[in-house]
Amino acid sequence: DAGITQSPRYKITETGRQVTLMCHQTWSHSYMFWYRQDLGHGLRLIYYSAAADITDKGEVPDGYVVSRSKTENFPLTLESATRSQTSVYFCASSEMLEQYFGPGTRLTVT
Amino acid sequence: GQQLNQSPQSMFIQEGEDVSMNCTSSSIFNTWLWYKQDPGEGPVLLIALYKAGELTSNGRLTAQFGITRKDSFLNISASIPSDVGIYFCAGFTGNQFYFGTGTSLTVIP
Repeated sequence: DAGITQSPRYKITETGRQVTLMCHQTWSHSYMFWYRQDLGHGLRLIYYSAAADITDKGEVPDGYVVSRSKTENFPLTLESATRSQTSVYFCASSEMLEQYFGPGTRLTVT
Repeated sequence: GQQLNQSPQSMFIQEGEDVSMNCTSSSIFNTWLWYKQDPGEGPVLLIALYKAGELTSNGRLTAQFGITRKDSFLNISASIPSDVGIYFCAGFTGNQFYFGTGTSLTVIP
């Protein structure tokens, strides 16, 4: 299907575990983004990528790692999950300034 | 980080009423975007604004790029139950996007 997808949609993990959230887009957009959404904070940028093999930090990058070996994929890895990383994570893509969001991944760290 | 002040935080209105919400900042933005988010879903782009003073409509939705470039407004006319959701503004400074904290809209039939 065309568009932007995220997997898994829901994930429960334990403190200290590594977890990877996947994002895939079929539009061949150059830019991809990872946000987290928490009550009272709105959407905060974690990392973004302007093209394959080019990534940069956003507002809240600590504890996260990204890679972009292919234009269509932009996985987000929590190397050692902490309870403060419990959140809803959204991936987005854009070619110009209009960002299109995926359905989100709800992550709970116990 | 950059602050986008979005107001009101929540609104409860009767079906058929018009709705107004706004987003303000102390900084200048080059682009304003308005999104709607339904529960359990990602934000969906409603309107994009690229020039100061620009007024753009999308069906019953109308958004304006403030002439000072520090604010933007979204109006919804003749609200219907499916307008329920959270509306976000987003501003682009030329380097980075910033998002407002959202306006939660409830439409009472």
